[in-house]
Amino acid sequence: GAVVSQHPSRVICKSGTSVKIECRSLDFQATTMFWYRQFPKQSLMLMATSNEGSKATYEQGVEKDKFLINHASLTLSTLTVTSAHPEDSSFYICSARAGDSGNTIYFGEGSWLTVV
Amino acid sequence: AQKVTQAQTEISVVEKEDVTLDCVYETRDTTYYLFWYKQPPSGELVFLIRRNSFDEQNEISGRYSWNFQKSTSSFNFTITASQVVDSAVYFCALTPSSASKIIFGSGTRLSIRP
Repeated sequence: GAVVSQHPSRVICKSGTSVKIECRSLDFQATTMFWYRQFPKQSLMLMATSNEGSKATYEQGVEKDKFLINHASLTLSTLTVTSAHPEDSSFYICSARAGDSGNTIYFGEGSWLTVV
Repeated sequence: AQKVTQAQTEISVVEKEDVTLDCVYETRDTTYYLFWYKQPPSGELVFLIRRNSFDEQNEISGRYSWNFQKSTSSFNFTITASQVVDSAVYFCALTPSSASKIIFGSGTRLSIRP
């Protein structure tokens, strides 16, 4: 099946710094990618939809200036958490639509962010 | 409204027992896709199955089987002869044709005891 790679898998950063997470579709082109956040023992919460070549669409309540999303190519989307704070510590996971007839969505491995 | 409900928050069974995870969905779309994903403790989401709204045929894959019933808007998932490695959180999800995003249920945490 299609593969989505996410990097880094774990990152620790200091409060006030910025951290970038990459999401790559390895064997298919993804015009649309999605970024989710998951708190412990909770479901995935969609943060934003990333469309190649255009601005991301953010869900209500998500600060677009804090969570910068760039989808510069058909195989890469990045999420940058700016001026990170401890409450931003979470599991972030991306997904990409494969474009097959079933609109299957494949997920990256996720990134554990810890802000200290 | 577009919604996925997984009423079972946690399930714990002894190894080799059969277990069914329930999923009920709501959508006004006539065309949609349903998914099941597995999330082991490591966190990644593993794709298990996709079903489109026009295909009500049940599916079996090894110890896994899925029962899609449009009449009750349900897409239940059964694991036969469960194993400890099946322990994970399982998410049911919906992608309506009118929406570009995937809608997740709250997940069911399945624990298989040896």
